[in-house]
Amino acid sequence: GESVGLHLPTLSVQEGDNSIINCAYSNSASDYFIWYKQESGKGPQFIIDIRSNMDKRQGQRVTVLLNKTVKHLSLQIAATQPGDSAVYFCAENRHSGYSTLTFGKGTMLLVSP
Amino acid sequence: NAGVTQTPKFQVLKTGQSMTLQCAQDMNHNSMYWYRQDPGMGLRLIYYSASEGTTDKGEVPNGYNVSRLNKREFSLRLESAAPSQTSVYFCASSGLAGANTGELFFGEGSRLTVL
Repeated sequence: GESVGLHLPTLSVQEGDNSIINCAYSNSASDYFIWYKQESGKGPQFIIDIRSNMDKRQGQRVTVLLNKTVKHLSLQIAATQPGDSAVYFCAENRHSGYSTLTFGKGTMLLVSP
Repeated sequence: NAGVTQTPKFQVLKTGQSMTLQCAQDMNHNSMYWYRQDPGMGLRLIYYSASEGTTDKGEVPNGYNVSRLNKREFSLRLESAAPSQTSVYFCASSGLAGANTGELFFGEGSRLTVL
């Protein structure tokens, strides 16, 4: 079946390093991708999104890259901070008109001081 | 501005009991959603309401019912709880039906245990 998945379940980095979280998707019809951050005991929070007609989008300290050739999505966090420690989910929106998202399983990012 | 509010935050049920999870949003959003999150898994869509007066099944609707009471409120009901429904339930809302956006605003979650 088609799915959104992550390569690494846990990523440990040192404070100040750059972090890269990867995601593979298999539905070539998906036209919109989103990254969410979930801190312990809280609901997911929107980080950044990208449409399929783009290959890169930058936010504050975060960059999302989309490679449609290999169906790969990545989230880069610059100068990672302890407050970035959380589970990160990629998600795809396969439908236009409203947000019925399909989520990946998540990657836990652990940032050591 | 509270955003998305869910009640209760915690609940323990016995198999066969029923209960309703409540969700309200104060952002004047058109669309609302119920997701469940199980350990080691991402969120899976149970039901959604694209606009007031409409509801549709998501990926895992069996064992659940929903009611879009008004624009603000969207409830999730378990008629006869089963241990497989032990999970954390998240309600979410989004602003613009008709806009292809993934920006959902989530509540803090409701942790349900079925014994």
